[in-house]
Amino acid sequence: AQKVTQAQTEISVVEKEDVTLDCVYETRDTTYYLFWYKQPPSGELVFLIRRNSFDEQNEISGRYSWNFQKSTSSFNFTITASQVVDSAVYFCALSVRAAGNKLTFGGGTRVLVKP
Amino acid sequence: GAVVSQHPSWVICKSGTSVKIECRSLDFQATTMFWYRQFPKQSLMLMATSNEGSKATYEQGVEKDKFLINHASLTLSTLTVTSAHPEDSSFYICSATHRDRYQPQHFGDGTRLSIL
Repeated sequence: AQKVTQAQTEISVVEKEDVTLDCVYETRDTTYYLFWYKQPPSGELVFLIRRNSFDEQNEISGRYSWNFQKSTSSFNFTITASQVVDSAVYFCALSVRAAGNKLTFGGGTRVLVKP
Repeated sequence: GAVVSQHPSWVICKSGTSVKIECRSLDFQATTMFWYRQFPKQSLMLMATSNEGSKATYEQGVEKDKFLINHASLTLSTLTVTSAHPEDSSFYICSATHRDRYQPQHFGDGTRLSIL
């Protein structure tokens, strides 16, 4: 079975601060995908990134960056110079090819960016 | 990019009513659609996997007779909450995948269901 743990339930920062969201996953499969989604107060899920298990390269997209480390089964997400619009719940998720690519979500981390 | 439309976005109805939620892939063929449920301040929990032309596969603990899923075409899946009760009030969200199953799932905007 798959499991995703987001230990931080809520993080509060002041605008322009950096914030790092932790994600730890568990799976016995060697082929899997990791995702991050953003859920603003309106409720829709916004896809941010997908990383497959064979690609450990870190990625940067604008103010967002991701650190994938298979050795520690972690896929952390950093928002640099946070803005009020970054306030949302962020979900880390895992899908395994052997399980039909169903998504297993972490509990989510609520980020509150104060002006 | 791929777009998934979910309708209605919100619904309020009386206890005992059946409610149908539609999930449509607008610009791609979705061989598989997923239905999730999210309670306030909680994570998304997969309810069932819907494959076009076949019966849905339900996750453990999800009542098949309560949550009827139909995936009649490559662009449409429906979730019907039968004889809804207040405890069924939740946020329901669908997602769809391309024939190429290694593409990210594309999510609808969700349906807020409130049963009075």
